[in-house]
Amino acid sequence: EPEVTQTPSHQVTQMGQEVILRCVPISNHLYFYWYRQILGQKVEFLVSFYNNEISEKSEIFDDQFSVERPDGSNFTLKIRSTKLEDSAMYFCASSEEAGDQPQHFGDGTRLSIL
Amino acid sequence: EDKVVQSPLSLVVHEGDTVTLNCSYEVTNFRSLLWYKQEKKAPTFLFMLTSSGIEKKSGRLSSILDKKELFSILNITATQTGDSAVYLCAVESYGGSQGNLIFGKGTKLSVKP
Repeated sequence: EPEVTQTPSHQVTQMGQEVILRCVPISNHLYFYWYRQILGQKVEFLVSFYNNEISEKSEIFDDQFSVERPDGSNFTLKIRSTKLEDSAMYFCASSEEAGDQPQHFGDGTRLSIL
Repeated sequence: EDKVVQSPLSLVVHEGDTVTLNCSYEVTNFRSLLWYKQEKKAPTFLFMLTSSGIEKKSGRLSSILDKKELFSILNITATQTGDSAVYLCAVESYGGSQGNLIFGKGTKLSVKP
């Protein structure tokens, strides 16, 4: 069964450094999402992306964050200058359509900021 | 503010028991409600519900939505140790051109042999 793949599975970075989290969505999906889950807390929506542009973003997704689909398969989340509070599990998800089809999630990248 | 509330937060049962997990929501512009199972990593999709009163079933799992009372339940019959996981309820709302998912805190289910 097709799945969303994310790399790396774990990223350790010094505070203030830039990180790029990578995702390969399911191949025929058109809608892409990033969520994060701080340890012990809810899964929170960050951003949705369709047709090469951001469709919606949450308050968490400030100017330090950006997303990109650099080629036909990858979908990336960049955090420009990481803070301690960015430590979390970051999940990528994709869906065929918005609302009529479920979002399927990758295994996540655990980001640890030192 | 949109919110999704799950109960109980944790539950311990023995193999063979039947469990009911609850999810209530307050969301403007409701579109759908989804259930996911989260073991160690990725939330795995279980059900997507959009209409009231129509039960969805998959093996020992079933779920139903009540849009009037704003809640859903997830039932698991004849539980097995492999059902141990966190079960997440999420609601999708219309926002902009596509919905985002609003998650509850999850119910941690532990099934003892």
